[in-house]
Amino acid sequence: NAGVTQTPKFRVLKTGQSMTLLCAQDMNHEYMYWYRQDPGMGLRLIHYSVGEGTTAKGEVPDGYNVSRLKKQNFLLGLESAAPSQTSVYFCASSPSTETQYFGPGTRLLVL
Amino acid sequence: DQQVKQNSPSLSVQEGRISILNCDYTNSMFDYFLWYKKYPAEGPTFLISISSIKDKNEDGRFTVFLNKSAKHLSLHIVPSQPGDSAVYFCAASGIGNEKLTFGTGTRLTIIP
Repeated sequence: NAGVTQTPKFRVLKTGQSMTLLCAQDMNHEYMYWYRQDPGMGLRLIHYSVGEGTTAKGEVPDGYNVSRLKKQNFLLGLESAAPSQTSVYFCASSPSTETQYFGPGTRLLVL
Repeated sequence: DQQVKQNSPSLSVQEGRISILNCDYTNSMFDYFLWYKKYPAEGPTFLISISSIKDKNEDGRFTVFLNKSAKHLSLHIVPSQPGDSAVYFCAASGIGNEKLTFGTGTRLTIIP
């Protein structure tokens, strides 16, 4: 039981490049989330999903897209990376509307 | 508008003493509160939670207190241990709301 895993762990991008971050969970959770963490800002919700095939915007969705084609996977895409998207990205999953369980994070640097 | 506030960015406590981390919220619709602990280069891990129908929840060395009238919650760690050194986030959600709102975190350092 691996819990929540994230791929890759670290990535460097040039401005304008695109990439996809993958989140996978093996706990059969309905809910999945993408957050970013920046110094002094806490965790801010980017997008989330309440079930397979659904997605919804969070607090800071601009510049990101998501897809949840399979229940266990939640993908976060950056179509045209900007330096402001340099951050640590965390994925989380939850069986209900309460406790969320987090992955180890992906550190992204956009030059 | 920061709905969940952790006004102390850092806290240092001697080993064996009590650590008290504080959190204030402004949204009266919040009814479920959580504390997460985060080590460097790792994801946050769930520590303890409390529902608004309670004013205290205890789990080993960790106790969370909720004061609804003051819109304030606190996490007590007794006794504090070196492994407790981490960043602690409080979070809150409303009834049936699938989203959590996080505070900005407090870095706790336990001094041996």
